Amino acid sequence: RKEVEQDPGPFNVPEGATVAFNCTYSNSASQSFFWYRQDCRKEPKLLMSVYSSGNEDGRFTAQLNRASQYISLLIRDSKLSDSATYLCVARGRDDKIIFGKGTRLHILP
Amino acid sequence: GAGVSQTPSNKVTEKGKYVELRCDPISGHTALYWYRQSLGQGPEFLIYFQGTGAADDSGLPNDRFFAVRPEGSVSTLKIQRTERGDSAVYLCASSLNGRGGPDTQYFGPGTRLTVL
Repeated sequence: RKEVEQDPGPFNVPEGATVAFNCTYSNSASQSFFWYRQDCRKEPKLLMSVYSSGNEDGRFTAQLNRASQYISLLIRDSKLSDSATYLCVARGRDDKIIFGKGTRLHILP
Repeated sequence: GAGVSQTPSNKVTEKGKYVELRCDPISGHTALYWYRQSLGQGPEFLIYFQGTGAADDSGLPNDRFFAVRPEGSVSTLKIQRTERGDSAVYLCASSLNGRGGPDTQYFGPGTRLTVL
């Protein structure tokens, strides 16, 4: 089993809709979690950290469920510019950083 | 200020050749990471430097791969006897303090390595 797993998609979503995707992690000792965004042929950029209590940044909401070992990302009122690959990241107690393969999102006009 | 820079942006080489990839981190960042990303995959950790020393090199796939950071700033990833399977985008990232805290990594644009 991969340490960090994501549905590769693509998710094709009409503009203005809400979309959510999950990421599961296998290492229960993982301590920190992040969502990165990566545009085609560009480097990953931090979208948001994921806190135990859940956190929101504008149209984006991240949740962590330690019992079920998954994190989620919710995007509301999606924009064409949200089209990208979203990478889930887990950092373990040993500080090792593991990226998922990413979920591709296409926002359709 | 300037972000992380990597050179070259593209490198095409022949199987068996030696290549060096360079990373200039953000000034003042003590931590530097190298990743490798193949098509359709997420970045795969290779090595992490804290200052001049390699704090974790467990991600290096074999002894053909080596990295240095002699003065605690610029780092070079060296690949000997390149193989076609080494073709990927090599990403460098830096962060202010490194591990042990909620530290944001800033990525460079990557070097696209193609081994023919």
